[in-house]
Amino acid sequence: QVHLVDSGGGVVQPGRSLRLSCAASGFTFSRYGMHWVRQAPDKGLEWVALIWSDGTSKFYADSVKGRFTISRDNSKNTVFLQMNSLRADDTAVYHCAKTLGGGNPGDAFDIWGRGTMVTVSS
Amino acid sequence: QSVLTQPPSVSGAPGQRVTISCTGSYFNIGAGYDVHWYQHLPGTTPKLLIFGNSNRPSGVPDRFSGSKSGISASLAISGLQAEDETDYYCQSYDSSLSGWVFGGGTKLIVL
Repeated sequence: QVHLVDSGGGVVQPGRSLRLSCAASGFTFSRYGMHWVRQAPDKGLEWVALIWSDGTSKFYADSVKGRFTISRDNSKNTVFLQMNSLRADDTAVYHCAKTLGGGNPGDAFDIWGRGTMVTVSS
Repeated sequence: QSVLTQPPSVSGAPGQRVTISCTGSYFNIGAGYDVHWYQHLPGTTPKLLIFGNSNRPSGVPDRFSGSKSGISASLAISGLQAEDETDYYCQSYDSSLSGWVFGGGTKLIVL
């Protein structure tokens, strides 16, 4: 059964860092692009970042560019999101999501993790 | 404000049919990028309902259907059931932002 498990969330002070992980199982991880998507309290879904299946290309939303880094370890079926210089408006539930393909613009997000909560507060 | 515009809420009685619109621009839907739809109850795992404008993943009932025309797309839900009451999001790709975009979400209320 295809499964994604997000972890690593918590409460952190503004300006500090946090690293999220997403462990995949039930499919050939190295064949698919992986996204991070977040949902702030009482807000809609917001795309954060994408990494291609082979890890050679990465894309970021303007709101996190220069502060967040997406990476993956295909030997461990895991994708990561390193979040630096965190701000209050980064507070959200963060979901990892698998693409239907390698990470092309038209690919849907077909499998999602349940999400991990990140709270940025002093 | 979201790049893709959805109505904040729609409602219908059990058994009825409702549609949820998603309006974009010539940088996303109008540029030919596919539209996908997701069902999401906050606190749970989002679920892919429609991919590639009108295709249903296996396991999604045929009560759900999608269409696309010009700069807009629509999700139709027929034979409304109480369990359909949740949030729905459209999603596409935007070439001006070089990124993936979601609609603001629509809350479906089953009367």
